[in-house]
Amino acid sequence: AQTVTQSQPEMSVQEAETVTLSCTYDTSESDYYLFWYKQPPSRQMILVIRQEAYKQQNATENRFSVNFQKAAKSFSLKISDSQLGDAAMYFCALLGGSEKLVFGKGTKLTVNP
Amino acid sequence: DAGVIQSPRHEVTEMGQEVTLRCKPISGHDYLFWYRQTMMRGLELLIYFNNNVPIDDSGMPEDRFSAKMPNASFSTLKIQPSEPRDSAVYFCASSFPTGTVWGEQYFGPGTRLTVT
Repeated sequence: AQTVTQSQPEMSVQEAETVTLSCTYDTSESDYYLFWYKQPPSRQMILVIRQEAYKQQNATENRFSVNFQKAAKSFSLKISDSQLGDAAMYFCALLGGSEKLVFGKGTKLTVNP
Repeated sequence: DAGVIQSPRHEVTEMGQEVTLRCKPISGHDYLFWYRQTMMRGLELLIYFNNNVPIDDSGMPEDRFSAKMPNASFSTLKIQPSEPRDSAVYFCASSFPTGTVWGEQYFGPGTRLTVT
């Protein structure tokens, strides 16, 4: 069975600072994809960033970047220059072996002004 | 594209009533997914379709839940009869197959269901 674990139920960061959200996963698949989704209070699930497992280079999207450690099965999200609009629930997700996304329980990020 | 469209956005109903949630996926997407989100259980996959055919319904909690996809642009999730424990946010998502365009899922805005 595939699993995704987010060990930080809540995190907080000061505006303009950097924060890292942790995610570990387990899969027996050799080819898989990893995602971070953001869910603001509006409830809309928004794709933040994605990573293909066979790519060693870490993905980046503007202020968002990942640290993908395949051997350790770790996939953390770094948010630089945090903004008030970054406040949301963040979900790590794994896609491999089928079309079924496996989600972590989420991390609630608070951004303090 | 307008994205994944769900209706209604909010639904309040009484226990025992039938509830129908609707979803229009992104045009051209082959896969459609129904999820349920609660505080206690997080995001749960209920069922998903490929080319309008149900592939995996193992997440459907009970026989009271049913889903259909009569064509590529429309799907319904029906609860009959509804119970208070069905109160949740229900999401629809769609995607291309994995390996074509990443396979990432695009979510609709969700339907908040309250059963009293």
